[in-house]
Amino acid sequence: SAVISQKPSRDICQRGTSLTIQCQVDSQVTMMFWYRQQPGQSLTLIATANQGSEATYESGFVIDKFPISRPNLTFSTLTVSNMSPEDSSIYLCSAGQTYEQYFGPGTRLTVT
Amino acid sequence: GENVEQHPSTLSVQEGDSAVIKCTYSDSASNYFPWYKQELGKRPQLIIDIRSNVGEKKDQRIAVTLNKTAKHFSLHITETQPEDSAVYFCAASLEGGSNYKLTFGKGTLLTVNP
Repeated sequence: SAVISQKPSRDICQRGTSLTIQCQVDSQVTMMFWYRQQPGQSLTLIATANQGSEATYESGFVIDKFPISRPNLTFSTLTVSNMSPEDSSIYLCSAGQTYEQYFGPGTRLTVT
Repeated sequence: GENVEQHPSTLSVQEGDSAVIKCTYSDSASNYFPWYKQELGKRPQLIIDIRSNVGEKKDQRIAVTLNKTAKHFSLHITETQPEDSAVYFCAASLEGGSNYKLTFGKGTLLTVNP
């Protein structure tokens, strides 16, 4: 299975600012995804990070708010833009070659 | 799109008992069904999965069953131990589609009492 790391592990940000979260995989993978998980809740898919093309966003998530990059098969970034307290959550990336997906440790974001 | 429902939302058992968590899905085209275990403050961990060409899969104390006709699948944990206490999520996916995105259930908090 792929080993996935994320940076930062946590951050406290002021409203109106942006934060970029990095996801690094120890091997080349076909699929990378970004999720949001509110405390005590399930995982909600934000978008599929496509290598070499624009990300595919789920309903309720837009590129202007959550721009995603995936420059190669081992790395992706998610930016949370113009943050508000409602963006406080845990953001997780996942990756896999095909159907099996493995998760990073998550980034705990608090917006004040 | 796919919708996955999971029951129960909480489950408390005595150590050594069995635990069963059930999920239903809406899209009959879904063909891959993983289960994740998430301990408090940790990442979700893939513990077992099943594909639609099999009806049951076992791995030591855990097993998953799938009924494609009824569109439901279940996680069975036997001889539960306190370290099994966690939140368990089921998910469904269409393998071989344009992507392999997972749709998750809302989770089951399993508590195993010593």
